[in-house]
Amino acid sequence: KAGVTQTPRYLIKTRGQQVTLSCSPISGHRSVSWYQQTPGQGLQFLFEYFSETQRNKGNFPGRFSGRQFSNSRSEMNVSTLELGDSALYLCASSSNRGAGNTIYFGEGSWLTVV
Amino acid sequence: QKEVEQNSGPLSVPEGAIASLNCTYSDRGSQSFFWYRQYSGKSPELIMFIYSNGDKEDGRFTAQLNKASQYVSLLIRDSQPSDSATYLCAVNTSGNQFYFGTGTSLTVIP
Repeated sequence: KAGVTQTPRYLIKTRGQQVTLSCSPISGHRSVSWYQQTPGQGLQFLFEYFSETQRNKGNFPGRFSGRQFSNSRSEMNVSTLELGDSALYLCASSSNRGAGNTIYFGEGSWLTVV
Repeated sequence: QKEVEQNSGPLSVPEGAIASLNCTYSDRGSQSFFWYRQYSGKSPELIMFIYSNGDKEDGRFTAQLNKASQYVSLLIRDSQPSDSATYLCAVNTSGNQFYFGTGTSLTVIP
């Protein structure tokens, strides 16, 4: 069974630009979550989507947005990039079945803002 | 108060020793608990999960859960240099949301 796939793996953007990251969850998984990881802040929750609906949202500005498609694939978008947005962006998927819910991470997208 | 707290370390142990990693959580209604390992420059990978009070063993790894004390731990027996990584504790709270600790950096010295 293929794991969580994220694209692109590495990208460099300029301040003020916008970026879109893509995530394909494990087959059969309907929940997709996004996290930002930086050396100083650790893993920070961005948002979670389930069946095309945003179910939970972390404490990030409105420049960070996401969506989920009917095939459970998800995208996140960051507009008006700032230097502080440089981070590893991780997508995680889960089957969302009861207390045994386990999340699995993709390899991440490394974003550098210059 | 953070949802999940870990000692950031760094924790250093000699090869062959037992490494003990600890985690506390705030939501008493939390139902499931996870340990992830993250190598530098890589994404977190799941090591173990535990739902019930007590110990759960998987090879050299043992997860321990004490819901009354809101405490989760991970023991790594016969530590190897390849175990050197950051270990993240995660909790699935009563609101069905995952929270992660900031991680404990472990170094196993040959």
